[in-house]
Amino acid sequence: QQQVKQSPQSLIVQKGGIPIINCAYENTAFDYFPWYQQFPGKGPALLIAIRPDVSEKKEGRFTISFNKSAKQFSLHIMDSQPGDSATYFCAASSLSRGYQKVTFGTGTKLQVIP
Amino acid sequence: GAGVSQSPRYKVAKRGQDVALRCDPISGHVSLFWYQQALGQGPEFLTYFQNEAQLDKSGLPSDRFFAERPEGSVSTLKIQRTQQEDSAVYLCASTSAGTNYGYTFGSGTRLTVV
Repeated sequence: QQQVKQSPQSLIVQKGGIPIINCAYENTAFDYFPWYQQFPGKGPALLIAIRPDVSEKKEGRFTISFNKSAKQFSLHIMDSQPGDSATYFCAASSLSRGYQKVTFGTGTKLQVIP
Repeated sequence: GAGVSQSPRYKVAKRGQDVALRCDPISGHVSLFWYQQALGQGPEFLTYFQNEAQLDKSGLPSDRFFAERPEGSVSTLKIQRTQQEDSAVYLCASTSAGTNYGYTFGSGTRLTVV
């Protein structure tokens, strides 16, 4: 079963727009929620992450909003640029067998048009 | 090394052939993960090593998949009798401790089974 649901599958915005990617989870054992950015031919790279006791985290132009009661979280990219065009994965992590096991969403392909 | 290195970058195998994929993690990283990423999908967990010990292999899809890390550094993922459904990008990630939340991924090996 898909433990982390992500939408939309793809997104096209104009430069300067604010794309929003949404994710939902069911497992309340998840205790860390990272976002990864992946460019073609590369592995995913950690972008920003949040813990469930915080409702919002901002790093540069990237902001995570977290709603613990609804078990939802989202990524906002302020003033988006063509260089932000990539696939974004939300993820959730929980301690499993003594290590943090990360479960990924299905990804959102973002295209920022100049 | 400076990052996680994977080789080969691309591998084409005939159905039924055995393949071996190599991962060279960041020096000193005790935790190593293998993920499988099908086209257009998020990475799916395969297996986890802490040093040379394989602590979790619950994600390996069949007994044709085998991973090892004999000296606690370089790891090899072996797939025997490859099938078309094995076609995917195989990603390796490492982190300095299993309880760390952020993974550093390599660029992956794209396996195509024909």
